[in-house]
Amino acid sequence: NAGVTQTPKFRVLKTGQSMTLLCAQDMNHEYMYWYRQDPGMGLRLIHYSVGEGTTAKGEVPDGYNVSRLKKQNFLLGLESAAPSQTSVYFCASMPDSGANVLTFGAGSRLTVL
Amino acid sequence: GENVEQHPSTLSVQEGDSAVIKCTYSDSASNYFPWYKQELGKGPQLIIDIRSNVGEKKDQRIAVTLNKTAKHFSLHITETQPEDSAVYFCAARDSSASKIIFGSGTRLSIRP
Repeated sequence: NAGVTQTPKFRVLKTGQSMTLLCAQDMNHEYMYWYRQDPGMGLRLIHYSVGEGTTAKGEVPDGYNVSRLKKQNFLLGLESAAPSQTSVYFCASMPDSGANVLTFGAGSRLTVL
Repeated sequence: GENVEQHPSTLSVQEGDSAVIKCTYSDSASNYFPWYKQELGKGPQLIIDIRSNVGEKKDQRIAVTLNKTAKHFSLHITETQPEDSAVYFCAARDSSASKIIFGSGTRLSIRP
C-alpha cells in the first residue's frame, strides 16, 4: 500500500516552460488536494477535487490548472512557469466529506529559473 | 473563506519543558481543527485533532484546547523531547467541509 505518490520529486524549469505534476493514491479516496509550501507562508491550497471529474479552486489557483480524469490521479499543470512558482508542492487525499484526516505525499520540489 | 493565523513562527524550548503554539480562525462555522507535524523532507502527518463540540483533547504528551467563542485553538506539548523538533501546522476545515486551510507553521526546536 503506497499511499500518496508524487512524481517527479524534483524538477528545474526555465521561465515560460510547462510541466505537469502527477499525484496518485491507491486508497480509493474521493477527495484530493494540491498545496504549495513556501517559507513563512505555510501550506496554501491551490486546487482540490471532491471526486472523479470534479475540480475546484483553492486559495492560490492562478497560474495552475488541474485535472481528475481518474479517481486515483490528480494532475497539477503549470502552462507557463514563473519564478514565483518556485516552491514545494504537496498532494494530499482524504476518503470523503465524512472523514477528516489528510494523507500527504512526500512533496515535489520545483525550481523555476 | 476561512483564514487561519498561527504563531509563533519559530519556537525554541529546553528539552523537558513545555511548548505552546496558538492559532486563530475566522469562519465561525468551522467545526474541525487538526494539527499536523512535518519532519524534514517529509509530508505533514496528523498528530491530534479536535472537533468544535469538545473543549480539550489529550493524547499522551500532546493536548489541544479550543475556545469557540474566541475562535482560537492551541497545541500543548509537555515534557518535550528531541524527536519533537519539527514544523507544526494548525488547520481548520471550512464550512463547506471540502477544504482544510492551514496556518503558516511553527518551527519547533528542542535544545538539549
